[in-house]
Amino acid sequence: ETGVTQTPRHLVMGMTNKKSLKCEQHLGHNAMYWYKQSAKKPLELMFVYNFKEQTENNSVPSRFSPECPNSSHLFLHLHTLQPEDSALYLCASSLSTGLSYEQYFGPGTRLTVT
Amino acid sequence: QKEVEQNSGPLSVPEGAIASLNCTYSDRVSQSFFWYRQYSGKSPELIMSIYSNGDKEDGRFTAQLNKASQYVSLLIRDSQPSDSATYLCAVTGGSGGSNYKLTFGKGTLLTVNP
Repeated sequence: ETGVTQTPRHLVMGMTNKKSLKCEQHLGHNAMYWYKQSAKKPLELMFVYNFKEQTENNSVPSRFSPECPNSSHLFLHLHTLQPEDSALYLCASSLSTGLSYEQYFGPGTRLTVT
Repeated sequence: QKEVEQNSGPLSVPEGAIASLNCTYSDRVSQSFFWYRQYSGKSPELIMSIYSNGDKEDGRFTAQLNKASQYVSLLIRDSQPSDSATYLCAVTGGSGGSNYKLTFGKGTLLTVNP
């Protein structure tokens, strides 16, 4: 595997379900990010981890819970979601957090909440 | 609130023409600028980064930065139908805390007609 991978690629869940999204990067990076992309809106940053430590929570509702066990893996735990949470969830990584570090995205998980 | 503005398009050009994509940003002290390409249903792919005033060329792509005018552009020479995608402008740096975060525009949809 190369680059940034995400599983599952598609997920349909009910509002009472609990599910998790997984991201893995094979680039030797130390920073990982979760973004949400909804139709007609700019990419929204959700969480940032640098060297496994959370450095940013962009006022994300508690029904989204991130976990970063090491610099290569990032999870997003989902519970009691709302239909408006349906979106493309993107993971990204960069060498570190900093002004000039390029971020590379995974393929995303298309989430539908019914 | 930092803002990145892009014309949503669609921008339609004939095959072989030069496509010009524009982006303006609100925070005068922004420092790093990135262009991503996103095909429909796919994740963003980094195609160019630029950090200093002037032009930066990579194959058929040229990024142009003018910090005084708070303006960054992407030129695509010899446009091909495979260049048809949404192009996202992203900016880091600027005033305020956590200025390493990427702020994205909504993207410009480019269509290259055979």
